[in-house]
Amino acid sequence: DIQMTQSPSSLSASVGDRVTITCRASQGISNYLAWYQQKPGKVPKLLIYAASTLQSGVPSRFSGSGSGTDFTLTISSLQPEDVATYYCQKYNTAPFTFGPGTKVDIK
Amino acid sequence: EVQLVESGGGLIQPGGSLRLSCAASGFTVISNYMSWVRQAPGKGLEWVSIVYSGGSSYYADSVKGRFTISRDNFKNALYLQMNSLRAEDTAVYYCARGQPLTHWGQGTLVTVSS
Repeated sequence: DIQMTQSPSSLSASVGDRVTITCRASQGISNYLAWYQQKPGKVPKLLIYAASTLQSGVPSRFSGSGSGTDFTLTISSLQPEDVATYYCQKYNTAPFTFGPGTKVDIK
Repeated sequence: EVQLVESGGGLIQPGGSLRLSCAASGFTVISNYMSWVRQAPGKGLEWVSIVYSGGSSYYADSVKGRFTISRDNFKNALYLQMNSLRAEDTAVYYCARGQPLTHWGQGTLVTVSS
């Protein structure tokens, strides 16, 4: 089975900073990669699918890139409401594995 | 408006069985990919199972042979039959629509403990 890893596992940044989270698949998954945001105590929410397509209603400061095995989620200007854990997920074939998550905090 | 409402969670002894339900509204379950995802307390998301619109289903290795996903066309609902429960199955269980997962329920807590 394909394994998903994320780095870093956590980060702390200032409001307005550019934040980058990396997700890596152990084998190529083309662009079948989604990113989810889970705020503390809340249900996960789809942010990006097909590696780079923004889900409707998601602020444009979020962007995704990558293909194959290496993917990136970028927050161009971190806002207080972006405090959350971010997960990547592969969805080309079962099992639809999630990455371990990256916790984002405000410094 | 799409809504997913899970129910059926609770405290169950190791080795026991439980059936989770997910009532859907605003769309037809049988025409969509439907999944179960779980999250152990303080841990990350774990994909559990999916049923495709055509009826094929798949499971995570951790639950294969113990859990069964199913649908009810008339009730427009999704189910997860969980047998031979273990302490490590303790988690909030979410049902979700689509792949990727565009809509999520609020989750139902399953606690496996003696």
